[in-house]
Amino acid sequence: DAGVIQSPRHEVTEMGQEVTLRCKPISGHNSLFWYRQTMMRGLELLIYFNNNVPIDDSGMPEDRFSAKMPNASFSTLKIQPSEPRDSAVYFCASRPDIRGNSPLHFGNGTRLTVT
Amino acid sequence: AQSVSQHNHHVILSEAASLELGCNYSYGGTVNLFWYVQYPGQHLQLLLKYFSGDPLVKGIKGFEAEFIKSKFSFNLRKPSVQWSDTAEYFCAVKGNNRLAFGKGNQVVVIP
Repeated sequence: DAGVIQSPRHEVTEMGQEVTLRCKPISGHNSLFWYRQTMMRGLELLIYFNNNVPIDDSGMPEDRFSAKMPNASFSTLKIQPSEPRDSAVYFCASRPDIRGNSPLHFGNGTRLTVT
Repeated sequence: AQSVSQHNHHVILSEAASLELGCNYSYGGTVNLFWYVQYPGQHLQLLLKYFSGDPLVKGIKGFEAEFIKSKFSFNLRKPSVQWSDTAEYFCAVKGNNRLAFGKGNQVVVIP
């Protein structure tokens, strides 16, 4: 299996622009998670889906952030408009299901820089 | 919601030295415990996990961790580190279907 695939690997954009991060979970995994990693706050859970349905989005920082999972093999995290404080590494992770004891499988992350 | 504390954010040690990273959590219910490692430029990978049973857990690459329920701790250990163990280490606690991460320990092993 190719693992969790994220794109792009790096994204540099100007403040005010729309940013879309993409994630393809491992085939057969029903739960998908978006995390943000910064030096100040470490790893933060933004939102997670189970069977394509958002279960908990309480970690999404502001209305500028939105996430979708239109099907079992694809999810997007969108920031509109982006701000310099959004600069971070964004990780997508998946696992077989929400209730199981299996660990998370992480993607390589997208390093976002907003200037 | 549970929280996870990792102390000594930066650790520098020589090859062959022993490593111990502390992890304490706050959550009163049943937990699953994990240690993840992030090598420079790479994604997080699972080192080891504890669900139940023997509180001393063996992981990959010679790492082990001990769950001490009375202390709400899950410390990571390696008796003799190598230069290739230079990485960031994250403790994670799953309770009530939410996974919370600590802020990580940046470990640098000097050859």
